[in-house]
Amino acid sequence: DAKTTQPTSMDCAEGRAANLPCNHSTISGNEYVYWYRQIHSQGPQYIIHGLKNNETNEMASLIITEDRKSSTLILPHATLRDTAVYYCIVRVASNTNAGKSTFGDGTTLTVKP
Amino acid sequence: DTGVSQNPRHKITKRGQNVTFRCDPISEHNRLYWYRQTLGQGPEFLTYFQNEAQLEKSRLLSDRFSAERPKGSFSTLEIQRTEQGDSAMYLCASSFTQGQGRYGYTFGSGTRLTVV
Repeated sequence: DAKTTQPTSMDCAEGRAANLPCNHSTISGNEYVYWYRQIHSQGPQYIIHGLKNNETNEMASLIITEDRKSSTLILPHATLRDTAVYYCIVRVASNTNAGKSTFGDGTTLTVKP
Repeated sequence: DTGVSQNPRHKITKRGQNVTFRCDPISEHNRLYWYRQTLGQGPEFLTYFQNEAQLEKSRLLSDRFSAERPKGSFSTLEIQRTEQGDSAMYLCASSFTQGQGRYGYTFGSGTRLTVV
């Protein structure tokens, strides 16, 4: 699985959009981009994933650049409960692959009042 | 189904003792994963099962560690002769096989092990 690079930490004002970047310059054509977050003392929570098109769900939006070498997770109106560590992962999604996801150290997002 | 359940939530043990953790995945999921997480680090992959077959083991999984998933349902992770370096959060996750859905993993809340 391709390696990802994320900033160690970011701050965001409550009510503003939080934009979390991720670089994955060695991504392969069959690798998806997944985002998880982990709130203190809990297991990671799946947020969103995408291949090449931008994606949106009830939690967030995922913007993937045309060359797929980077992506941005957008939380449109951050709340204090969005304070967490956010992990960006790239992973092949097929029946035959190993299936594991490799987590880095993520970005610690702090939403401030 | 209430998600992935892990027991116990916390375990304190003396060095040299054996410990066993249990994970009950989401019943429809046929893949089950174990990860270990230390403070300030992301989760590290240990092993995973597809149904009852253990398909991959990390080099992190020394001979003191063993995982089973009898009948492809719940799984247990056993650590023998625990060492202080085994102190960590042990996370279990489950998922569909990729072709059935690509919605990522569902993690449990973890078992926090402290070896004293």
